[in-house]
Amino acid sequence: SYELTQPPSVSVSPGQTASITCSGDKLGDKYACWYQHKPGQSPVLVIFQDTKRPSGIPERFSGSNSGNTATLTISGTQAMDEADYFCQTWDSSTAVFGGGTKLTVL
Amino acid sequence: VQLQESGPGLVKPSQTLSLTCTVSGGSITNTNYYWSWIRQPAGKGLEWIGRIYTTGSTNYNPSLKSRVTISLDTSKNQFSLKLNSVTTADTAIYYCAGVTYTTSSNWFDPWGQGTLVTVSS
Repeated sequence: SYELTQPPSVSVSPGQTASITCSGDKLGDKYACWYQHKPGQSPVLVIFQDTKRPSGIPERFSGSNSGNTATLTISGTQAMDEADYFCQTWDSSTAVFGGGTKLTVL
Repeated sequence: VQLQESGPGLVKPSQTLSLTCTVSGGSITNTNYYWSWIRQPAGKGLEWIGRIYTTGSTNYNPSLKSRVTISLDTSKNQFSLKLNSVTTADTAIYYCAGVTYTTSSNWFDPWGQGTLVTVSS
C-alpha cells in the first residue's frame, strides 16, 4: 500500500520560515494536500492541488510538489501556526495521509 | 456547509459502531461534493475510512473494507457510518468530511468537529 512519510517534529522561531516535507513514491505525479490540526479542533485544509490556498488561509502558507517530495512552507511563522500538519494524497481510489508533523514555534 | 457527527461515545467489543453526520447549510445531494469518514486514534495519524458519492456509490479503505458500510439518507441530509466487530483498536476520534472534487483532484473540506468513540466493555 502507498505510504507518505513526514518528520515527526519541526521547530521554528517566530518570524522565520518553516518547511515540512512529505515523501512518497513518485508523489510529484499525484496531487498533494495539507491540513492543519490543532488540539481539540477539526483539521483545516491549508493547501490543495499542491500549491493552492483556500480562501481565508494566509498567504504565508505555500506548497510545492516535485519528484518524491511535497513541501509545506510557512513564511514568517506565527505562534498561532503551532499545530500538527498532515499531508494527504490519493492512490488507487484510496486516501492516504502522512503520519503528521508537530510544528513547534519556539 | 457545516457537518456535525453524532452517535454513541461508548461501544462494547464485538458490537457495531454507528455514527451519523448531519450536513447543514447545503444539500447532501450537491454534486460538488461527496462525503467521507476519517478517524484518528489517540496519539496517531489520520486514517481514511471510506467515501460515498451522491449516487450512493462507495469506496472503502482496503484495511477496513470487510467491516465498513457508509450510507446516505437524502431525506434527512445525513450520511452514516457502520463499523462492525469492533475492537479496542477502533477507539478513535471519528470525523466526517465533505470532499470537493474536480476531474483531477479531491480534497477534504469542510470537516466536522469530530466525535470520540471508545471501545470498551
